[in-house]
Amino acid sequence: AQSVTQLDSQVPVFEEAPVELRCNYSSSVSVYLFWYVQYPNQGLQLLLKYLSGSTLVKGINGFEAEFNKSQTSFHLRKPSVHISDTAEYFCAVTPPRTGNQFYFGTGTSLTVIP
Amino acid sequence: KAGVTQTPRYLIKTRGQQVTLSCSPISGHRSVSWYQQTPGQGLQFLFEYFSETQRNKGNFPGRFSGRQFSNSRSEMNVSTLELGDSALYLCASSALGFWDTEAFFGQGTRLTVV
Repeated sequence: AQSVTQLDSQVPVFEEAPVELRCNYSSSVSVYLFWYVQYPNQGLQLLLKYLSGSTLVKGINGFEAEFNKSQTSFHLRKPSVHISDTAEYFCAVTPPRTGNQFYFGTGTSLTVIP
Repeated sequence: KAGVTQTPRYLIKTRGQQVTLSCSPISGHRSVSWYQQTPGQGLQFLFEYFSETQRNKGNFPGRFSGRQFSNSRSEMNVSTLELGDSALYLCASSALGFWDTEAFFGQGTRLTVV
């Protein structure tokens, strides 16, 4: 079975400051890892994904994440946030070849303060 | 290229009624997955269809059902609605399903049961 834990439900941060959103997962098999962003009243948009290879993954809007197999973590980072980054962020995993059956964390609400 | 389209965007139903939600995937995509998003339970996988066949099903009661048509459009039906069914229902499409590593989400249908 798979599970995802997002350690912080809410993260306030000042504009232009760095931010890290934490994600840990548990799985008995290899998984692909994802970060999605959801703006109010919208669906989910893919920020980045880790499938294999380099453990540092770069995504859209200046976000990046690092896969750490030993710590089963996939933390999301951005060196300088903007007001427009205010949104809900979801970490998700899926075992390969499971038909897009994602297991999502409970989400982290990022609020960027002017 | 048009994205994933869900209709209607908002719906209000009375307890005990049934409802049908629609999802049109990205052109050429053959896999459609459905998710329920609630504040208490977060994002939970309902089921996935590929080429008109249900391949995976989450842990939801039989009141939740779906189908997929030959043009890959999918519908989700909930019978005998309960107050707890109030949620944002998201669908996601991908080209190949099992072999894909990315799903594209629609904006969702907000269902309110009163």
